[in-house]
Amino acid sequence: DTGVSQDPRHKITKRGQNVTFRCDPISEHNRLYWYRQTLGQGPEFLTYFQNEAQLEKSRLLSDRFSAERPKGSFSTLEIQRTEQGDSAMYLCASIEGRPGSTDTQYFGPGTRLTVL
Amino acid sequence: GNSVTQMEGPVTLSEEAFLTINCTYTATGYPSLFWYVQYPGEGLQLLLKATKADDKGSNKGFEATYRKETTSFHLEKGSVQVSDSAVYFCALSPYNFNKFYFGSGTKLNVKP
Repeated sequence: DTGVSQDPRHKITKRGQNVTFRCDPISEHNRLYWYRQTLGQGPEFLTYFQNEAQLEKSRLLSDRFSAERPKGSFSTLEIQRTEQGDSAMYLCASIEGRPGSTDTQYFGPGTRLTVL
Repeated sequence: GNSVTQMEGPVTLSEEAFLTINCTYTATGYPSLFWYVQYPGEGLQLLLKATKADDKGSNKGFEATYRKETTSFHLEKGSVQVSDSAVYFCALSPYNFNKFYFGSGTKLNVKP
């Protein structure tokens, strides 16, 4: 068990470019969450997967944002036509999500996005 | 709607002082409540949780009691240590852990 990993850890991009982030949850965790965190604020929920199915999406997730988890393992979050307001830390978390499990949410280290 | 409000920081205490960080919530239904901690340079990690009214979550000397009548989940510790210096986040999940709502965080500084 190596924990939740995210790649890249830092991304600097120019306004208008597309970016993609990857999250690898803890092996066999079937629930995966994406959050956005800005300075001085708590994480804001973006979306949630149960295996490969995307079951919840926040209104924060505009049409420029898309997330996938094609095989129920790793997930990607893509932001198209980035804006300066997208600058934030993007966090991924996973939960085992099986009957009798602890339902503890484990967070990754995050990807810090800076849009110039 | 669902939301979490926690006291603004930073909170600065001397070692061995008593800690209270207030957290109140608004929720539909009967949420589960959580405290998460983020130590400097590290990711968020679960500190404690309570899943129903009057439950007390506890871990590492920290405690919080789920108070439905006051919609509160205040974090307490009887004697803080320098190593407790971190940012603390209160959070709720309305049902079945499908979605989580976090407060804005309270930074705790403990001085020797």
